[in-house]
Amino acid sequence: AQSVTQPDIHITVSEGASLELRCNYSYGATPYLFWYVQSPGQGLQLLLKYFSGDTLVQGIKGFEAEFKRSQSSFNLRKPSVHWSDAAEYFCAVGGRTGTASKLTFGTGTRLQVTL
Amino acid sequence: NAGVTQTPKFQVLKTGQSMTLQCAQDMNHEYMSWYRQDPGMGLRLIHYSVGAGITDQGEVPNGYNVSRSTTEDFPLRLLSAAPSQTSVYFCASRTPGQENYGYTFGSGTRLTVV
Repeated sequence: AQSVTQPDIHITVSEGASLELRCNYSYGATPYLFWYVQSPGQGLQLLLKYFSGDTLVQGIKGFEAEFKRSQSSFNLRKPSVHWSDAAEYFCAVGGRTGTASKLTFGTGTRLQVTL
Repeated sequence: NAGVTQTPKFQVLKTGQSMTLQCAQDMNHEYMSWYRQDPGMGLRLIHYSVGAGITDQGEVPNGYNVSRSTTEDFPLRLLSAAPSQTSVYFCASRTPGQENYGYTFGSGTRLTVV
């Protein structure tokens, strides 16, 4: 069964500092990987995705993520955090085969940004 | 293009009451799913559908029913609400064959069962 682990429940960074959110997945083959962001009281917005090709993927709002097959990881990074980045971030894995291709989410990392 | 629309946004139910959470999408997506979000548990799949007339159970289906009579709509029914069903519910949809594109999510329904 596929699964996602986000080991950091809560992270606090200063505005302007760099950010890395960790994500480890379990899947039997090469998965589709996603990062979503959720602002308070809002739905989920897709930040970026990996499905093939270059292992460093760029997303919206200046975020990037690197797929490392050997470590089963898909960590999210941003060089300089802005106060508006405060939100909850979810990593998700989706299967490549089968009619359902269900998404499995991690438990999320809440990002707090201090000024 | 409205995307995925969920109604209502907020709802308070008494234990034992029934209700239907509505989800509609206007993107002609065949795949639709219902997730519930609880603190510290991320999003968990309740039910999903791969097309009109076809539904299946997800990770936490107990206490919920679904049907899919049209491509556009995928309602979630609570037949007898319980406090354990207090949660935020998200509906999501996508096009088959585009697994790499990810799902489009609605803005959620916050349900409280007292």
